[in-house]
Amino acid sequence: NAGVTQTPKFRILKIGQSMTLQCTQDMNHNYMYWYRQDPGMGLKLIYYSVGAGITDKGEVPNGYNVSRSTTEDFPLRLELAAPSQTSVYFCASSYLYKEVSEKLFFGSGTQLSVL
Amino acid sequence: LAKTTQPISMDSYEGQEVNITCSHNNIATNDYITWYQQFPSQGPRFIIQGYKTKVTNEVASLFIPADRKSSTLSLPRVSLSDTAVYYCLVGDPDSGAGSYQLTFGKGTKLSVIP
Repeated sequence: NAGVTQTPKFRILKIGQSMTLQCTQDMNHNYMYWYRQDPGMGLKLIYYSVGAGITDKGEVPNGYNVSRSTTEDFPLRLELAAPSQTSVYFCASSYLYKEVSEKLFFGSGTQLSVL
Repeated sequence: LAKTTQPISMDSYEGQEVNITCSHNNIATNDYITWYQQFPSQGPRFIIQGYKTKVTNEVASLFIPADRKSSTLSLPRVSLSDTAVYYCLVGDPDSGAGSYQLTFGKGTKLSVIP
């Protein structure tokens, strides 16, 4: 099984450019998430989605946009890239089976540098 | 918000048992405690999850006292391949119905020494 697939694995952007990080999962999970991880730090939640057509902001949403048109796909859009967005981005998915605690399945990450 | 506190780093020799304790004083009644492992350049991976007392799987054990204000991840006989960052998470009851945000802190960096 593929699980959670992220593309691209690496990308270098110039300041002001835009790009979309792709994420797809084949586990029919209803919840999907985007996290960023700065060097030596924990993961910070950018956006999440509880189902197709429903998205909400996490802890650090500024400078990003998401959409969830299907259960499988959850792309993350960066508009006007800034050096502060240099980070590793992880997509994750989960299936809500307990009220408050879910197993997250993570992709392998996208390493983004904005120069 | 449910918050967790764990040591920043730990060192251990190969073959030893490692115990990593996490404090979560504001844990909610319905919250479960979950631990993840992250190797360099990879996404976190689920290790173990529990609600109370003790849970054991093929990788680790999780000990949770009756008051549930802390939990301890126990890794038996660690090897070099257990060198990773370990995260303790609890559900966030303030996120609203059906939209629980799991917060990853900085985790505990475990270094296993030969």
